[in-house]
Amino acid sequence: DTAVSQTPKYLVTQMGNDKSIKCEQNLGHDTMYWYKQDSKKFLKIMFSYNNKELIINETVPNRFSPKSPDKAHLNLHINSLELGDSAVYFCASSQVKETDTQYFGPGTRLTVL
Amino acid sequence: GQSLEQPSEVTAVEGAIVQINCTYQTSGFYGLSWYQQHDGGAPTFLSYNALDGLEETGRFSSFLSRSDSYGYLLLQELQMKDSASYFCALGGATNKLIFGTGTLLAVQP
Repeated sequence: DTAVSQTPKYLVTQMGNDKSIKCEQNLGHDTMYWYKQDSKKFLKIMFSYNNKELIINETVPNRFSPKSPDKAHLNLHINSLELGDSAVYFCASSQVKETDTQYFGPGTRLTVL
Repeated sequence: GQSLEQPSEVTAVEGAIVQINCTYQTSGFYGLSWYQQHDGGAPTFLSYNALDGLEETGRFSSFLSRSDSYGYLLLQELQMKDSASYFCALGGATNKLIFGTGTLLAVQP
């Protein structure tokens, strides 16, 4: 029944490591997103994909590379992790013409030590 | 660019009515959305205004005035479970949402 799922829920790693977060949605949506929520709860769009094609890249460092193998999956790979990458990362999805109504995954809390 | 400002915190008592304001600056947008986020949880969609005026969904109502660059979320018959952060968000042709600064609502018994 899970609409948007993410794994892992928690990720603790050392600076300089590479890690991935996976996201899947079973809502049949065309569009998927990655958001970053910082310690002050500010929620900021990072990437948006529509039918596996990248349509938004919000000046995110190129250490962050999203990959969409199909329209139900959007993964996020992060190279050379830095302290400032510590945050909660949310995946979301929506219909392409209803981008105001987005369904969020449970989030992945990334802690870089 | 686009920006949205909200009060950082609001406190109210159970059973009361509370209004969370959102003022924005933008060159154009399709509509204003509202999301709720409980501590440790994910944002969940509450309401959307494409047109000026009031939209009502149960205990929650949302209002938009494009001429005033202003909107608000009205929560009635407050319950303890309404304690959460509330975000307004602008959606537009760029296929993304720009979120406001968020308002932490504390409902007291």
